[in-house]
Amino acid sequence: NAGVMQNPRHLVRRRGQEARLRCSPMKGHSHVYWYRQLPEEGLKFMVYLQKENIIDESGMPKERFSAEFPKEGPSILRIQQVVRGDSAAYFCASSPTVLQRDWNYGYTFGSGTRLTVV
Amino acid sequence: TQLLEQSPQFLSIQEGENLTVYCNSSSVFSSLQWYRQEPGEGPVLLVTVVTGGEVKKLKRLTFQFGDARKDSSLHITAAQPGDTGLYLCAGDVIGLNDMRFGAGTRLTVKP
Repeated sequence: NAGVMQNPRHLVRRRGQEARLRCSPMKGHSHVYWYRQLPEEGLKFMVYLQKENIIDESGMPKERFSAEFPKEGPSILRIQQVVRGDSAAYFCASSPTVLQRDWNYGYTFGSGTRLTVV
Repeated sequence: TQLLEQSPQFLSIQEGENLTVYCNSSSVFSSLQWYRQEPGEGPVLLVTVVTGGEVKKLKRLTFQFGDARKDSSLHITAAQPGDTGLYLCAGDVIGLNDMRFGAGTRLTVKP
């Protein structure tokens, strides 16, 4: 019973490189959410996707950040030309449907990818 | 400004004590959830509350949703060191597509 799988767990990038973070939702879940967490802080919403559609990207910076959830394969959060300020833990969550998210299912989170920009 | 304000931000208590943490907002939520997060891991769902005034119990944890569905509290009875962690509330704001999180209460229970 695999949960939400994120990889890599840890990612080190030099300034200016690209970071690609992957998230495979739980089986049967069609909604994916990306959150960012800085040390000692809560989670900040970035983007909400369904298969092949971006539903809400209001929390994602307009430049350098993009996300996709293709018909086949994992969801990808891509950060181009990383800067030190991008260093954070990035969490992916999934839910079956919006309604089931509300009624006691909540979100299932992955273990996160810790990005360090050096 | 945070949509959800959690208090206190930090709480350090002795094993066996009781505690209450709060989650407040000026917005109305269709549902509100509490999560617990341990270092190096993702948040794990503890409970979802949906109905105003609702009270849910999970062993030594009691969750309450405010009558107006704008706030919630988490009460822990006889805290244990295993309760140590970051407690996050998250609200499903009416009209938004996703959950928004508070900054969390970082609880430390000393043996």
